[in-house]
Amino acid sequence: GQNIDQPTEMTATEGAIVQINCTYQTSGFNGLFWYQQHAGEAPTFLSYNVLDGLEEKGRFSSFLSRSKGYSYLLLKELQMKDSASYLCAVLDSNYQLIWGAGTKLIIKP
Amino acid sequence: DAMVIQNPRYQVTQFGKPVTLSCSQTLNHNVMYWYQQKSSQAPKLLFHYYDKDFNNEADTPDNFQSRRPNTSFCFLDIRSPGLGDAAMYLCATSRQEQETQYFGPGTRLLVL
Repeated sequence: GQNIDQPTEMTATEGAIVQINCTYQTSGFNGLFWYQQHAGEAPTFLSYNVLDGLEEKGRFSSFLSRSKGYSYLLLKELQMKDSASYLCAVLDSNYQLIWGAGTKLIIKP
Repeated sequence: DAMVIQNPRYQVTQFGKPVTLSCSQTLNHNVMYWYQQKSSQAPKLLFHYYDKDFNNEADTPDNFQSRRPNTSFCFLDIRSPGLGDAAMYLCATSRQEQETQYFGPGTRLLVL
């Protein structure tokens, strides 16, 4: 079966750095997406990785290792507004997006 | 601004009373998706359209139907809502199936 694993919940301090990990086992691989979802709202696109390595976009960076079936989302200089769920999703060989359940990130002052 | 719009944002219906949720897009994307998301769970794909081609997920109940009358609009019909159908319903679009999906704000459905 296809599976995406990410921690259920993480807590971090305002101004700090946090890394949210995602591991996957899917039927084929056509890219990995990270989405941010605030409570009661729709997911918003953060990043896309299809090749190994680090993609940086402002305070957010995303890393991919295809051989290890592993990705992480790195958030720097955390702000209170970063409190949200972060969903990892993998596009499989049929171009279907396989979703993780999300990591709820709690930012404390 | 190009966007994905969902109406209404909140919908209350009665057990067994048909309800229709709507989605429109100004992105001119080929693909439109309907997802169901329950609290603290991953979005669950119900079906999607590539242009006019309808693709139903194997485990989507028959109670859920969809229509896409043109490129811009897509509808989700729930024929006989049950209490278990209370959820957030998300519409998303992408230019091609392998490309990034962009979501509308969602419709939260409450079944009484």
